Amino acid sequence: DTEVTQTPKHLVMGMTNKKSLKCEQHMGHRAMYWYKQKAKKPPELMFVYSYEKLSINESVPSRFSPECPNSSLLNLHLHALQPEDSALYLCASSRTGRNYGYTFGSGTRLTVV
Amino acid sequence: DAKTTQPNSMESNEEEPVHLPCNHSTISGTDYIHWYRQLPSQGPEYVIHGLTSNVNNRMASLAIAEDRKSSTLILHRATLRDAAVYYCILRDVGGTSYGKLTFGQGTILTVHP
Repeated sequence: DTEVTQTPKHLVMGMTNKKSLKCEQHMGHRAMYWYKQKAKKPPELMFVYSYEKLSINESVPSRFSPECPNSSLLNLHLHALQPEDSALYLCASSRTGRNYGYTFGSGTRLTVV
Repeated sequence: DAKTTQPNSMESNEEEPVHLPCNHSTISGTDYIHWYRQLPSQGPEYVIHGLTSNVNNRMASLAIAEDRKSSTLILHRATLRDAAVYYCILRDVGGTSYGKLTFGQGTILTVHP
């Protein structure tokens, strides 16, 4: 298995809703990442997990809450989002160490109404 | 993070070689040069990476200048499926086990039939 699987592919949520995005990989990668991508912009790093521990939080608002329950699974919990949070949310994984590329999922298209 | 500079857009004809340039004059000794591409409505896809020596794989070749201040991604025979945004990224590993992949604006490659 050489894929990063993200679910759901599309999500519409109200500003008072709570929802979660899920990311799964079975490549044995011990580093996992969340990125946010607005239309016609490059992806922006949000969080980095290394060995299931949060290593980097790029000053992301607390309405985004990441979780890494095990080495294969990464969640992003969403609460009280704003319409400007509408974007493509990308998950990626990689081996740790210097000499490896990232594998990205195809993303979750989130619309906040 | 060390930054990269790429042309905003390039055009090519099908079945011709494409040379995508990238400048990274502030590259440090621990930075790997990564290339990713993103097709419309998909997550980024790993293309190739290298440190000092030129690299080849089934998708492309990476030519790295001797002083490492620039690099060129070479697609040997462009196809319509190669039309995408191409990102040149310096992966900062430093003292961590995972590094950071920070995307710049990228080059939009258009391939004409």
